[in-house]
Amino acid sequence: GQQVMQIPQYQHVQEGEDFTTYCNSSTTLSNIQWYKQRPGGHPVFLIQLVKSGEVKKQKRLTFQFGEAKKNSSLHITATQTTDVGTYFCAGVRTGANNLFFGTGTRLTVIP
Amino acid sequence: TAGITQAPTSQILAAGRSMTLRCTQDMRHNAMYWYRQDLGLGLRLIHYSNTAGTTGKGEVPDGYSVSRANTDDFPLTLASAVPSQTSVYFCASKPREGYNEQFFGPGTRLTVL
Repeated sequence: GQQVMQIPQYQHVQEGEDFTTYCNSSTTLSNIQWYKQRPGGHPVFLIQLVKSGEVKKQKRLTFQFGEAKKNSSLHITATQTTDVGTYFCAGVRTGANNLFFGTGTRLTVIP
Repeated sequence: TAGITQAPTSQILAAGRSMTLRCTQDMRHNAMYWYRQDLGLGLRLIHYSNTAGTTGKGEVPDGYSVSRANTDDFPLTLASAVPSQTSVYFCASKPREGYNEQFFGPGTRLTVL
């Protein structure tokens, strides 16, 4: 079954509002990655987190990796219409090589 | 540089027919992957290849086969398609073990009727 769960499945926000998506794994992860997929497009790598408690920022995007390395979050400050798309987390289980993708959060930004 | 190309872009296939989805990369990446994307389920790994000449099963391998005769190509074959294989299929690659970012192709939308 699905090993990496992501919530919410959908999120509609007004432009300028903040947005957060959460990712939870049933097992400890060696690292977690985040991807963005624009409507009709393919997933594009955003970032990778490796260390327990790690926080990384990319302009308005803040990524966190939990202390237990089982959960992660992506927070977007002051959303813009260019942020529209589906955001996926993807984890690598400790001792494994392949990625397990989360179910994704589809973000709609209302102008 | 083209990156990863997939063909066809879309296809409608009658149940019971066979089909090969093509994937080619020009980045000399060692590892390649096939995923299927279904609404509400995210991307699920079908098969993978860590290097030319080797393949492995992912989460949902049943009904699919792959081969990796060379570095560049990683075709996915459906021997006898069923409607549950209706999906969007993405091929991906990464340079080597220990390098984790995956690069995705544009996808193939397959409908099995």
